[in-house]
Amino acid sequence: KAGVTQTPRYLIKTRGQQVTLSCSPISGHRSVSWYQQTPGQGLQFLFEYFSETQRNKGNFPGRFSGRQFSNSRSEMNVSTLELGDSALYLCASKEGGPSTDTQYFGPGTRLTVL
Amino acid sequence: DQQVKQNSPSLSVQEGRISILNCDYTNSMFDYFLWYKKYPAEGPTFLISISSIKDKNEDGRFTVFLNKSAKHLSLHIVPSQPGDSAVYFCAASESGTYKYIFGTGTRLKVLA
Repeated sequence: KAGVTQTPRYLIKTRGQQVTLSCSPISGHRSVSWYQQTPGQGLQFLFEYFSETQRNKGNFPGRFSGRQFSNSRSEMNVSTLELGDSALYLCASKEGGPSTDTQYFGPGTRLTVL
Repeated sequence: DQQVKQNSPSLSVQEGRISILNCDYTNSMFDYFLWYKKYPAEGPTFLISISSIKDKNEDGRFTVFLNKSAKHLSLHIVPSQPGDSAVYFCAASESGTYKYIFGTGTRLKVLA
């Protein structure tokens, strides 16, 4: 099976712009989660989607949004970019059952905001 | 509010010796814990997990210990190998919340 794929791998934007990141989960996985990784902050949970429904979200401003399509692919959007949004954005997929399902991560999208 | 803490940002160990990585949590509702390893330019990869009904889980060179009363878990790697050099994250989850809370990571360097 192919792993979790994320596009693009690298992105440079300027303040005020918006950006959309894409994640394709492992085939058969219906749960997709998004995380932001910054130095010293570890991985911060953004949101989790299952069967096109957001089941939980982290403590991020409304500028961060996401959605999931019927094929389980997911997109994350950040509007009105700020310098502090520069980070590695990781998506992870799992089959979608309980928390004890193993979560598999993609390689991430490195976003730089200038 | 850091519910999962890894207080050691870095650790150096000689090849062949034991590596012990520590993690503390504050939320007593967490009932599932995991360790991930991350190399540069790659996403984290799952290592080992433990349910709160257990106090130990072993998988090859990796053993995770859970002390619920102290709200503490640790990852033991024996023997340590240079290829184990990476950043290690612990994570915790509460049933029904569908999210994992990660620590800030510990960078392990295994010296040859």
